[in-house]
Amino acid sequence: QVQLVQSGGEVKEPGASVKVSCKASGYTFTSYGITWVRQDPGQGLEWMGWISGYNGNTKYAQKLQGRVTMTSDTSTSTAYMELRSLRSDDTAMYYCARDRSGGSAGELLHWGQGTLVTVSS
Amino acid sequence: DVVMTQSPLSLPVTLGQPASISCRSSQSLVHSDGNTYLNWFQQRPGQSPRRLIHRVSKRDSGVPDRFSGSGSGTDFTLRISRVEAEDVGVYYCMQGTHWPPLTFGGGTKVEIK
Repeated sequence: QVQLVQSGGEVKEPGASVKVSCKASGYTFTSYGITWVRQDPGQGLEWMGWISGYNGNTKYAQKLQGRVTMTSDTSTSTAYMELRSLRSDDTAMYYCARDRSGGSAGELLHWGQGTLVTVSS
Repeated sequence: DVVMTQSPLSLPVTLGQPASISCRSSQSLVHSDGNTYLNWFQQRPGQSPRRLIHRVSKRDSGVPDRFSGSGSGTDFTLRISRVEAEDVGVYYCMQGTHWPPLTFGGGTKVEIK
């Protein structure tokens, strides 16, 4: 069965960076992409970006451009999301979800369990 | 970016009664390939989102048939024919037609009266 297992929660100081992993199993990693979505505490869902598992192509949310990098390691079927220059308003639950490989249409059938990132001094 | 507007914000429902959630997009969601990429997600307290409906009306595997989706163009609806206790949570619509970005509605909280 398809599974996406994310890394554990993180506590970071403002200005630091965080790297969240999303390990996929149960399907061919290179045949799909990964979309990252975050959710502020008690708030709605926000699209962060997408990476193709096939060729590593990426698309990022405009508001995060320059601070976010999404990468993948096909040898371990793992996607990564790195967010730099963290601010308090980056405190959120971060989710990965399986998507298409050639570009997203928001398939998002399978989701990770979420990773809570807390930014606090 | 396409703006997705959901209503109501909160929906108290009596067990066994129907519920309906509206979602409107700022642009038509008909893609050039002829599909309409409008999905509905359920998020129970403390859980990851779960996709219920894709492409307006296609129910995902394992989703009870009391859930149904309808609509076209810019107006869409999620209906629950008879609300059960396990349906409590927040429901989101999301468009994928005009990607990037994917955009979500603000959510509708379904609770039991």
